[in-house]
Amino acid sequence: DTAVSQTPKYLVTQMGNDKSIKCEQNLGHDTMYWYKQDSKKFLKIMFSYNNKELIINETVPNRFSPKSPDKAHLNLHINSLELGDSAVYFCASSSGETQYFGPGTRLLVL
Amino acid sequence: DQQVKQNSPSLSVQEGRISILNCDYTNSMFDYFLWYKKYPAEGPTFLISISSIKDKNEDGRFTVFLNKSAKHLSLHIVPSQPGDSAVYFCAASGGSNDYKLSFGAGTTVTVRA
Repeated sequence: DTAVSQTPKYLVTQMGNDKSIKCEQNLGHDTMYWYKQDSKKFLKIMFSYNNKELIINETVPNRFSPKSPDKAHLNLHINSLELGDSAVYFCASSSGETQYFGPGTRLLVL
Repeated sequence: DQQVKQNSPSLSVQEGRISILNCDYTNSMFDYFLWYKKYPAEGPTFLISISSIKDKNEDGRFTVFLNKSAKHLSLHIVPSQPGDSAVYFCAASGGSNDYKLSFGAGTTVTVRA
């Protein structure tokens, strides 16, 4: 039983395309997050939703738009993909101070 | 501006010996600290945490020590096992009203047989 799952696991696409990454958690948590791990391996928060409400938006370009249809799902849509968007994107969820991560989506923009 | 720093990018230790991983932070508002373990091509896995009201937390082979005055924490793994070879991330948050986790750059641990 996967606690936090992401699809797809790998995503290779051309510059300028629009793509979405999906995240689902079956832990009953109220809060979900998106993190980006860049080429230097730093994990940085992008967004957080609590009960479908956006609570954190960390100076991310407008091309990135999170959507939470319900508290078990948090999707990330990226418009007009750029080379610099290539990274690993991790979804996470929490009900308190400990966050649990998904397996990551490896995005490569060509 | 990295508020959480892991200054040792790598650590090599013999199986059965102690692994000590260090982490420093600059933000005095941090009051909850976590260690995550990450294997290649997988997501970070929660290992152990500590609240700022404590100075030590132990869970099996893993112990985390917190020195608030020095803004320093460490993770001890005793004894080290081959399966412990992974990247370890230190993370910190400002408490229950601050959901953001700030991560260190990670320390790659290699356990030698």
